[in-house]
Amino acid sequence: QSALTQPASVSGSPGQSITISCTGTSSDVGGYNYVSWYQQHPGKAPKLMIYEVSNRPSGVSNRFSGSKSGNTASLTISGLQAEDEADYYCSSYTSSLHVVFGGGTKLTVL
Amino acid sequence: QVQLVQSGAEVKKPGASVKVSCKASGYTFTGYYMHWVRQAPGQGLEWMGRINPNSGGTNYAQKFQGRVTMTRDTSISTAYMELSRLRSDDTAVYYCARVTPEWELDYWGQGTLVTVSS
Repeated sequence: QSALTQPASVSGSPGQSITISCTGTSSDVGGYNYVSWYQQHPGKAPKLMIYEVSNRPSGVSNRFSGSKSGNTASLTISGLQAEDEADYYCSSYTSSLHVVFGGGTKLTVL
Repeated sequence: QVQLVQSGAEVKKPGASVKVSCKASGYTFTGYYMHWVRQAPGQGLEWMGRINPNSGGTNYAQKFQGRVTMTRDTSISTAYMELSRLRSDDTAVYYCARVTPEWELDYWGQGTLVTVSS
């Protein structure tokens, strides 16, 4: 099972919006609505930010939103804040009853 | 509140085995699958496999088949991940994570650093 494809890095200025893409196949991202996004700050465990493509867990800012089209899912962060600077990972359920992660995207807030 | 507390850091020699524990509290242990994910230094997240704490049934990533064993002890709400025939590239932080029926990893342990070095 190959990792999902994410850009290695993205950047934006405070207040701007950015979008991180996550491309898979019809056996994972495209085949199921079980795409999640995680935020990870250095030295910390990942934190769930989006589940089932576009749902936010309680306590997660509504500046975070998710979507999917075909085999590509996207995470959008609006109104960028300094605290959003972190690594972001997508994940998907796969037809093999497994989970596959993206390679991760480093978000820099300029 | 849901908590997953993992065992402490380990240093192992190549060829040895390591067993990491993950003690769950704040929810019904047998009601959610537990997954294991690792992260090598400076690298991304890598899914290793999962265990059904109710039945003990497991699914492992192909990469780890034959080297990983996931078990659980329901009497103490603890899941275990044992990795054998360790190599230097197994040096990583190992995480346990609770997973919902919708396949999101909603709660994570704090991570256990396993260092493999001669």
